[in-house]
Amino acid sequence: GQQLNQSPQSMFIQEGEDVSMNCTSSSIFNTWLWYKQDPGEGPVLLIALYKAGELTSNGRLTAQFGITRKDSFLNISASIPSDVGIYFCAGQRSGGGADGLTFGKGTHLIIQP
Amino acid sequence: DAMVIQNPRYQVTQFGKPVTLSCSQTLNHNVMYWYQQKSSQAPKLLFHYYDKDFNNEADTPDNFQSRRPNTSFCFLDIRSPGLGDAAMYLCATVRGRGNFGYTFGSGTRLTVV
Repeated sequence: GQQLNQSPQSMFIQEGEDVSMNCTSSSIFNTWLWYKQDPGEGPVLLIALYKAGELTSNGRLTAQFGITRKDSFLNISASIPSDVGIYFCAGQRSGGGADGLTFGKGTHLIIQP
Repeated sequence: DAMVIQNPRYQVTQFGKPVTLSCSQTLNHNVMYWYQQKSSQAPKLLFHYYDKDFNNEADTPDNFQSRRPNTSFCFLDIRSPGLGDAAMYLCATVRGRGNFGYTFGSGTRLTVV
């Protein structure tokens, strides 16, 4: 099946630093989504990207949908303690709706005091 | 608030004893998904219902079944849980084609003893 390669696997940063993570795929996805998951909770949608080349921001978060439709990145600026968690990229093959999401393996963000 | 609710949050079952996990939604979404997420791994799609139509992923074991008696409820049945089935099970919903607004429940953590 399709796989998303997400990196880095984990990040140890200082509060206030910027963060960057990315996902790549060997096949095309028509939609890229970025989720954050806290321990014991379900994933929460951060940003959704629908068009190749699209750059979208949500507060301190910025994500881009790669031109080739095979990659996406997520940046977090000026990290704060509540940013700690696992970040997943997810892609969807079809133009919307019923097809399920393919998830990356996650980036575990740890903020050191 | 409209939401996706999973019960119970934590479930302990015996090896080989059938167990049912439930998901309900007040969003009136017509697509409901079940994902399995093992520790430190990405969520993996098991199957989904588009309205009453059941769609199984090719690699989902026969041990996993699902029922959707109405729009609001969807159940995950594990007929004979093995130790390898211990995981977080996530339910997600979406309105349908052309809409990417997936909403995840908080998950059910299944322990097999």
